[in-house]
Amino acid sequence: DGGITQSPKYLFRKEGQNVTLSCEQNLNHDAMYWYRQDPGQGLRLIYYSQIVNDFQKGDIAEGYSVSREKKESFPLTVTSAQKNPTAFYLCASRPRDASYGYTFGSGTRLTVV
Amino acid sequence: DAKTTQPPSMDCAEGRAANLPCNHSTISGNEYVYWYRQIHSQGPQYIIHGLKNNETNEMASLIITEDRKSSTLILPHATLRDTAVYYCIVRVAGGYQKVTFGTGTKLQVIP
Repeated sequence: DGGITQSPKYLFRKEGQNVTLSCEQNLNHDAMYWYRQDPGQGLRLIYYSQIVNDFQKGDIAEGYSVSREKKESFPLTVTSAQKNPTAFYLCASRPRDASYGYTFGSGTRLTVV
Repeated sequence: DAKTTQPPSMDCAEGRAANLPCNHSTISGNEYVYWYRQIHSQGPQYIIHGLKNNETNEMASLIITEDRKSSTLILPHATLRDTAVYYCIVRVAGGYQKVTFGTGTKLQVIP
């Protein structure tokens, strides 16, 4: 079945370490997105990519980096510059068709210890 | 993108219809209304979308007012599994513009 796979589901990181969250889709979707969700809050956009080798900053890009070397993959790196990285991270994708909605992954919960 | 306003929480008795409102008074003519829901600690799930006509699928119905400034998501027979946060967003047809999800409405279905 087609879908988006995020891994790992839970991730623990020591302060000062970079960590990369994986997002893979086999839906042949063009656009991919990364969102951050804090407890009791909505989703805030970190980065998005419309096409391979191109991406744009969202509303809270500081302390994060991404790459889009393949259509299927959009990994997110949380760097040590991100002051408060503990959160639930969601990856989503969307096809070129205008009426389609987003397909979301199941999320990665990152905890800094 | 137009902003949306939703009540922070609602209760609904199991088996009854749940009617979730959304205001989008600044919506543009080419912006669609989308509804998603998020069950605790999972990714949001697409429910339904519409432009100006009312829409229905196996999950829900979407009623959009004639002036398109508000809409209502209807879950006809709510079950305990419908307890979730429901998000209403609007976005332009086509393109890949960034979209922000607000805090949504926390629907609690009560036995």
